[in-house]
Amino acid sequence: DAGVIQSPRHEVTEMGQEVTLRCKPISGHDYLFWYRQTMMRGLELLIYFNNNVPIDDSGMPEDRFSAKMPNASFSTLKIQPSEPRDSAVYFCASSLLVDTQYFGPGTRLTVL
Amino acid sequence: DAKTTQPNSMESNEEEPVHLPCNHSTISGTDYIHWYRQLPSQGPEYVIHGLTSNVNNRMASLAIAEDRKSSTLILHRATLRDAAVYYCILRDLPRDDKIIFGKGTRLHILP
Repeated sequence: DAGVIQSPRHEVTEMGQEVTLRCKPISGHDYLFWYRQTMMRGLELLIYFNNNVPIDDSGMPEDRFSAKMPNASFSTLKIQPSEPRDSAVYFCASSLLVDTQYFGPGTRLTVL
Repeated sequence: DAKTTQPNSMESNEEEPVHLPCNHSTISGTDYIHWYRQLPSQGPEYVIHGLTSNVNNRMASLAIAEDRKSSTLILHRATLRDAAVYYCILRDLPRDDKIIFGKGTRLHILP
């Protein structure tokens, strides 16, 4: 298996632009998680899905952030409009039931 | 949520055993103790987990105190590739379907 796939690996954008991060979970996994990691705040859970349905989005920082999972093999995290404080590494992870989570390589986002 | 306490950082020499401690004095009877680690520029990866008994796998060993208020992750022979942040996490399985990461312990390996 290819593992969790994230794209792009690096994104540099200007303040105010829309940013879309993409994730392909491991085939057969029914949970998908989005995390954000910064030096100041560490690894934070933003939102997670079970069977494509959002279960808990209490970690989403504000309305500028949105996430979707249109099918079992694809999810997006969108930031609109982006701000410099959104600069971070964004990780996607998936798991089967409540078992081990498998993380992707992350997307490093820089907002200028 | 039950919380864990870990040292911010530790150092160890290459090819020597490493004992990474974790305190969880408020652990409940159904909490599993999980360890993940995050290598530089990578996402976290699972290491090991246990409930009451000590556990071994190809990566590490997990020693759990008899009262379960603390545990120790043991790397039997550390290599430079083991330099990472190690996270100790409690999960009430199968109820806890998410993981909340703390700050972890940054392990430095000296050649």
